[in-house]
Amino acid sequence: EAQVTQNPRYLITVTGKKLTVTCSQNMNHEYMSWYRQDPGLGLRQIYYSMNVEVTDKGDVPEGYKVSRKEKRNFPLILESPSPNQTSLYFCASSPIPSGSSYEQYFGPGTRLTVT
Amino acid sequence: GQQLNQSPQSMFIQEGEDVSMNCTSSSIFNTWLWYKQDPGEGPVLLIALYKAGELTSNGRLTAQFGITRKDSFLNISASIPSDVGIYFCAGHAQTGANNLFFGTGTRLTVIP
Repeated sequence: EAQVTQNPRYLITVTGKKLTVTCSQNMNHEYMSWYRQDPGLGLRQIYYSMNVEVTDKGDVPEGYKVSRKEKRNFPLILESPSPNQTSLYFCASSPIPSGSSYEQYFGPGTRLTVT
Repeated sequence: GQQLNQSPQSMFIQEGEDVSMNCTSSSIFNTWLWYKQDPGEGPVLLIALYKAGELTSNGRLTAQFGITRKDSFLNISASIPSDVGIYFCAGHAQTGANNLFFGTGTRLTVIP
């Protein structure tokens, strides 16, 4: 089954304790992206990657890191989480965006709480 | 980032009624997408629009890419209880840029 998976689905942590949220897709997509979803703000893009070893900042990259060492994986790293990073996080993937194709497929989400 | 204004923020309708929601942007978009998010799930793509003026249907759903390229609307006809969820518009602002911007969502409640 074609899908985007994220782990963990739920995480409660404390301020300053480094964490990683994993994302994996089995559709051989070049493009992968991370979003955070907050009430009243919709989804905001954190980082995206056009292919292996190619990453770029989205709208709200501060406090996050990503890496793309393999095509299928795109982990999100919070080196020193803070309470304002409490949110619902989504990973998404798609073929390379083009003028006629910009359809992203989303994972199930990771709910992160930083105390 | 780009501002996408989506309205209404929420809707309560009777089963069988038609629904309309829209999205406007402060700048020109080349692509408009409509997603639906069920509770506890990630957004799922409903309709993608790639040309100004384009009108596309997916079952009971119809979406249009506005002529000005700054707006889009989504209609749902003959609503049913499983239409409940949050609907998001999303747009791609320019060729070559790879950011996808999302609206703030329309929460739809269908009363049986």
